Amino acid sequence: GAGVSQSPRYKVAKRGQDVALRCDPISGHVSLFWYQQALGQGPEFLTYFQNEAQLDKSGLPSDRFFAERPEGSVSTLKIQRTQQEDSAVYLCASSLRGRPVSNQPQHFGDGTRLSIL
Amino acid sequence: SQKIEQNSEALNIQEGKTATLTCNYTNYSPAYLQWYRQDPGRGPVFLLLIRENEKEKRKERLKVTFDTTLKQSLFHITASQPADSATYLCALDPTGGFKTIFGAGTRLFVKA
Repeated sequence: GAGVSQSPRYKVAKRGQDVALRCDPISGHVSLFWYQQALGQGPEFLTYFQNEAQLDKSGLPSDRFFAERPEGSVSTLKIQRTQQEDSAVYLCASSLRGRPVSNQPQHFGDGTRLSIL
Repeated sequence: SQKIEQNSEALNIQEGKTATLTCNYTNYSPAYLQWYRQDPGRGPVFLLLIRENEKEKRKERLKVTFDTTLKQSLFHITASQPADSATYLCALDPTGGFKTIFGAGTRLFVKA
């Protein structure tokens, strides 16, 4: 597709359930980022992939959060045993080249709004 | 600790005026800084990137300045229009790292 696609757009889950969020980056983009955005705040970095390699996962809030990009294209962010504080918008972005040398702009999807009841 | 600050209060201006948004940072030495626009319910959209050795960058009605001594970037929209109403985010990459750090954003309202 022309842009970054995320699914689902909205996800409601009960506390304790596991969820999986999907990101389809722009074809051929090397870099892929996941962010968490709380209401009224800027995106907060979670993790970074260069192709299939996860080079930085320092922003993942706990070991309940796991991300993968096994073939260097589609990525999945999984949250296990969800808690209410996980409620947020999860954004995915891709850029053409790899880090850290590249200064490419990031192309964002419209996010998944996750609500934990 | 590393920090980015943007005007926390919304900026209200009249159509046709110039909007000026501020981004201040501390404890960073970024090689470049970016500005994004975000509309409600949508992901951020890239607007402009400015490098540390550039003082000013322009694109149509947009202008960005970058003062590494003051540790500040200013983002200007000239001849503002109601369609410019959105949240504007500044972002920078700590040198040599993989992550991007975003400010909280400034909401801009342009009244007709």
